[in-house]
Amino acid sequence: GENVEQHPSTLSVQEGDSAVIKCTYSDSASNYFPWYKQELGKRPQLIIDIRSNVGEKKDQRIAVTLNKTAKHFSLHITETQPEDSAVYFCAASSTGGNNRLAFGKGNQVVVIP
Amino acid sequence: DVKVTQSSRYLVKRTGEKVFLECVQDMDHENMFWYRQDPGLGLRLIYFSYDVKMKEKGDIPEGYSVSREKKERFSLILESASTNQTSMYLCASSPTTSGGADTQYFGPGTRLTVL
Repeated sequence: GENVEQHPSTLSVQEGDSAVIKCTYSDSASNYFPWYKQELGKRPQLIIDIRSNVGEKKDQRIAVTLNKTAKHFSLHITETQPEDSAVYFCAASSTGGNNRLAFGKGNQVVVIP
Repeated sequence: DVKVTQSSRYLVKRTGEKVFLECVQDMDHENMFWYRQDPGLGLRLIYFSYDVKMKEKGDIPEGYSVSREKKERFSLILESASTNQTSMYLCASSPTTSGGADTQYFGPGTRLTVL
């Protein structure tokens, strides 16, 4: 099945700087790549997603880029703010038509004021 | 707005008890999922269902079973709870689309402690 890895596991950034989290996936047939943000004590919530027919997608301070050849996708957060501190999970769709997502283990992002 | 609810936020049970965790979604989604979340291990899929009465094993099904008698409701059952099943349990649902896998919407989670 699909295997998703996230790097780094923990990322500390100064407020106002950019943060980048990278995920790699194993199955070249995967076609859907969402990113979730989980604040402490809360449920994971979708912040941005991308499908394999698109190379980049932006939503205000957040962007996701996809490199299908290298089988990796990245989350970019610009002008980081303290409320961006959270655990971020990437995921990739599993093939086989069963609507599963394979999740990475998560990245802890800490924004230092 | 998608709403996924879970029957309890916190639950404390004793070893050997039968435990039921319930999940309800109000968006008519075909697919429902149960995950457990442990520090450093991310979200691990226990079971999922793509239709009423249909179920498939995820990556860690041992010690668990599920039931989906109605489209909006998906239950996770621990037949005989053990201490290593102490964890956060998250339910999710997603629609079936022509493009394949789609966004999963999560419930608030149930923190289960087995003593």
